[in-house]
Amino acid sequence: AQKVTQAQTEISVVEKEDVTLDCVYETRDTTYYLFWYKQPPSGELVFLIRRNSFDEQNEISGRYSWNFQKSTSSFNFTITASQVVDSAVYFCALSEASRGSNYQLIWGAGTKLIIKP
Amino acid sequence: NAGVTQTPKFQVLKTGQSMTLQCAQDMNHEYMSWYRQDPGMGLRLIHYSVGAGITDQGEVPNGYNVSRSTTEDFPLRLLSAAPSQTSVYFCASRPGTGTSTDTQYFGPGTRLTVL
Repeated sequence: AQKVTQAQTEISVVEKEDVTLDCVYETRDTTYYLFWYKQPPSGELVFLIRRNSFDEQNEISGRYSWNFQKSTSSFNFTITASQVVDSAVYFCALSEASRGSNYQLIWGAGTKLIIKP
Repeated sequence: NAGVTQTPKFQVLKTGQSMTLQCAQDMNHEYMSWYRQDPGMGLRLIHYSVGAGITDQGEVPNGYNVSRSTTEDFPLRLLSAAPSQTSVYFCASRPGTGTSTDTQYFGPGTRLTVL
């Protein structure tokens, strides 16, 4: 069965520290997509990244980077030189491409990231 | 483009009352869905639609009805509200139902409290 686990419920770091948010997923599909969304205190959901299962290249976008490793079924998210504005709840999600799945998103429980000034 | 819009932003109901949460998108997206978000949990899918006139149940459909008469609108109806339906509700849409362009775009959410 498909599942997404974000074992870190809450992480607190001091500004400028690097921080990694873990995401482990389970799926039987060979074709799937992984996502990260950010939910700031204002409550909206902000799309950060989508990765398909055939692309294991790491991705970097400014201070954000993502490490996708199929061997460990992980899709971890690192924020370098964290800032107070990075404080939010971050969700990892999985979308399978199997027949009938309709690419529905399976969500992790989220990791609350607190960046202290 | 307004994207995905939801109304109302906040709502308080009494047990047994009915109401409709509105969702609209102006991006001509085929796929629309409703999620609920409860504390300490990820989003859970309530209902979804792959196009006008087609709806299906998600993970937690009980107590909710949907319809999709147009591509733009996907209202969620609570027929008889219960305290267990206190939650934040998100509507989402995405371009296609079977393509790789499947990033979902979310509305701002509706915070519902049932007393």
